[in-house]
Amino acid sequence: EAQVTQNPRYLITVTGKKLTVTCSQNMNHEYMSWYRQDPGLGLRQIYYSMNVEVTDKGDVPEGYKVSRKEKRNFPLILESPSPNQTSLYFCASGLAPTGPYGYTFGSGTRLTVV
Amino acid sequence: QKEVEQNSGPLSVPEGAIASLNCTYSDRGSQSFFWYRQYSGKSPELIMSIYSNGDKEDGRFTAQLNKASQYVSLLIRDSQPSDSATYLCAVNVYNFNKFYFGSGTKLNVKP
Repeated sequence: EAQVTQNPRYLITVTGKKLTVTCSQNMNHEYMSWYRQDPGLGLRQIYYSMNVEVTDKGDVPEGYKVSRKEKRNFPLILESPSPNQTSLYFCASGLAPTGPYGYTFGSGTRLTVV
Repeated sequence: QKEVEQNSGPLSVPEGAIASLNCTYSDRGSQSFFWYRQYSGKSPELIMSIYSNGDKEDGRFTAQLNKASQYVSLLIRDSQPSDSATYLCAVNVYNFNKFYFGSGTKLNVKP
């Protein structure tokens, strides 16, 4: 089954404790992206990757890191989480960043930073 | 000004009626347009895409695009309670490799 797999689904952590949210896709997609979703603000892009070893900032990159060492994986790293990073996070992948294609989203990670 | 604007709703319609969801966008360079459905606590799911002015129909769903007015809409015919969800409008700006999402319109279909 074609899918984007995120883990964990739920995570509660304390301020400053480094964490990683994993994302993996099995569709051989070139493009992957991370979004956060907050009430009233919609989906905001954190980082994206056009291909292996190619990453770039989205609209809200502060406090996040990413890497793309393999085509299928695109982990999101919070080096020192803060309460304002409490949010619902989605990983997405697509054939290309633009064009007549949409994205496939992972099931989401609900992160709470206390 | 947000790149994509949607009325947050909720939009309430009775079962069997037509639900009309609207979206405006600001970037005239936008070239692809998408509607996603998101159930509470779930991930967005692509339901329609449209690239040319006019209407595009897929089952009970019709997407309408008017580039001159920078306006996209989604019509859901014969609305069902299972259509109750938040509908996200998204636009794709090729020149900037950007994909912008609206904050969504919540639809309630009452039995």
